[in-house]
Amino acid sequence: GAGVSQSPSNKVTEKGKDVELRCDPISGHTALYWYRQSLGQGLEFLIYFQGNSAPDKSGLPSDRFSAERTGGSVSTLTIQRTQQEDSAVYLCASSSVAYNEQFFGPGTRLTVL
Amino acid sequence: KQEVTQIPAALSVPEGENLVLNCSFTDSAIYNLQWFRQDPGKGLTSLLLIQSSQREQTSGRLNASLDKSSGRSTLYIAASQPGDSATYLCAVISDDYKLSFGAGTTVTVRA
Repeated sequence: GAGVSQSPSNKVTEKGKDVELRCDPISGHTALYWYRQSLGQGLEFLIYFQGNSAPDKSGLPSDRFSAERTGGSVSTLTIQRTQQEDSAVYLCASSSVAYNEQFFGPGTRLTVL
Repeated sequence: KQEVTQIPAALSVPEGENLVLNCSFTDSAIYNLQWFRQDPGKGLTSLLLIQSSQREQTSGRLNASLDKSSGRSTLYIAASQPGDSATYLCAVISDDYKLSFGAGTTVTVRA
């Protein structure tokens, strides 16, 4: 596709359930990032993938959060045993290589009841 | 840890006036600085990227300057229009490859 796509656009779940969020980066982009935007707070970094290197997971808030990137393209962010404080917009971005301009997807709005 | 600050938090101007949005960062060892626009309920749209070796970057009515030594960037929007109303975010990439974001400036352009 022409841009970064994310699915679903909205997800409502009950506390304690697991959720999976998907990101399709721009074709050919080797770097992929996940960020979170919470109501009333700024954007915070979660995890970064660059090619085949080990991902930088330093931003993940707890061990309930994990992400993988298959075949150097599509990425899935998984949140286990969701809590209400996980409610936020989860944004994915990609860039051609590290340091370069990042292009963002439309985000997934997660609501945990 | 990189800290990014944007002042003012909100700005309201009449149509046609020039906009000046400020961004400051604490660690001058950056690779690039990126300005984004975010409309309510939407994702981020990249406006301009300034590499650390550059002093400014221009795109249409937008001009962004970068002064690494003082840790500042300014986004100028000429001849503002109601369609420019949005939140503008400044972000820097340091040597950890992650974007550190400011809290944004919410702009309202009155017709």
